[in-house]
Amino acid sequence: DAGVIQSPRHEVTEMGQEVTLRCKPISGHNSLFWYRQTMMRGLELLIYFNNNVPIDDSGMPEDRFSAKMPNASFSTLKIQPSEPRDSAVYFCASSLVAGWAGELFFGEGSRLTVL
Amino acid sequence: AQRVTQPEKLLSVFKGAPVELKCNYSYSGSPELFWYVQYSRQRLQLLLRHISRESIKGFTADLNKGETSFHLKKPFAQEEDSAMYYCALSHLNAGNMLTFGGGTRLMVKP
Repeated sequence: DAGVIQSPRHEVTEMGQEVTLRCKPISGHNSLFWYRQTMMRGLELLIYFNNNVPIDDSGMPEDRFSAKMPNASFSTLKIQPSEPRDSAVYFCASSLVAGWAGELFFGEGSRLTVL
Repeated sequence: AQRVTQPEKLLSVFKGAPVELKCNYSYSGSPELFWYVQYSRQRLQLLLRHISRESIKGFTADLNKGETSFHLKKPFAQEEDSAMYYCALSHLNAGNMLTFGGGTRLMVKP
């Protein structure tokens, strides 16, 4: 297994544009998490899904952010419209809830720069 | 509310020196605590978990409920230990959701 796969690895866009980040979790995992990493705030949980259903989206900063998980092998995080303060590294992680507690498997991250 | 605090953003030590990365938490339930590590150009990955009481790459961490701490320790630092370290607390009633601390960058100098 190639692990959690995220795309794009790097994205540079202009303020106001729509950004879509994609994630493919590890096959068989039934929980998926989106985190944002910044120098100031570290790793923040944005939203997580269990069996494709959003469970907690309290970390989503505002209505400009939305996330979907249409099936067990794909999720998207969308920012519309994007702003410079959204610049960060966005990580996707998956886990098998029935497995060892707390072991999340992370993707390599998508580095977003909004000009 | 649950919170994880890592008071040091940067810790710099010389090779062979002891290392202690501090982590304090606040949680109303019984905590499950972890250390994750991110080496340069690698994915964030699990280093160790308190329930396993294991030593990984020479690192250990003891949960101190009285002091609400879970400090990461290694008696003799190696250059390859240089990385970003995150302490995390698990919400077992919330599908393995992890709350992370702000992270500490460890630099081990030759």
